[in-house]
Amino acid sequence: RKEVEQDPGPFNVPEGATVAFNCTYSNSASQSFFWYRQDCRKEPKLLMSVYSSGNEDGRFTAQLNRASQYISLLIRDSKLSDSATYLCVVTTRGSQGNLIFGKGTKLSVKP
Amino acid sequence: DTEVTQTPKHLVMGMTNKKSLKCEQHMGHRAMYWYKQKAKKPPELMFVYSYEKLSINESVPSRFSPECPNSSLLNLHLHALQPEDSALYLCASSHRQATNYGYTFGSGTRLTVV
Repeated sequence: RKEVEQDPGPFNVPEGATVAFNCTYSNSASQSFFWYRQDCRKEPKLLMSVYSSGNEDGRFTAQLNRASQYISLLIRDSKLSDSATYLCVVTTRGSQGNLIFGKGTKLSVKP
Repeated sequence: DTEVTQTPKHLVMGMTNKKSLKCEQHMGHRAMYWYKQKAKKPPELMFVYSYEKLSINESVPSRFSPECPNSSLLNLHLHALQPEDSALYLCASSHRQATNYGYTFGSGTRLTVV
């Protein structure tokens, strides 16, 4: 079983749609959780950290369920500029800070 | 603009060449990383430096040689590479190893080995 698994995608949605990405992680010792976005041929950029209490940043909401080892990202009122690959990323206690990436889910927002 | 600067942005090299990739950050971060990313794959960790000391080497072939001259600079020396080493090489930094604050990536060096 892979350490971090994401929806395979791709997700093709119209502008204004609400999109939900799901991610599961296998190691219960995982301690930090992030969503990154990566545009084609660009570097990954931190979108948001994910906390157990849930956190929101404008149209983006991230949730963490430690009991289920499940992370989610919700994008409301999607924009054309949201088109990118969204990477679920985890660090694990004892991994000396290594970021463990999911394979990513590609999102295409269409007019 | 990214706060982690990588040079060059593009590099084409032959299999007998020696070249170096450079990475610089001035955010006071004390952990720096090299990642390799192939097309349509997530980044894979190569090396981690923490407080200028190599703390992780993910079984990377010796044709890749990292160097951390000081807390702001990270180099990756390349020698006798193979065509399969062609990839996007990403440098990243963080406040310290195993941080809760996420990592900042540079824009990468797109390397082609011919």
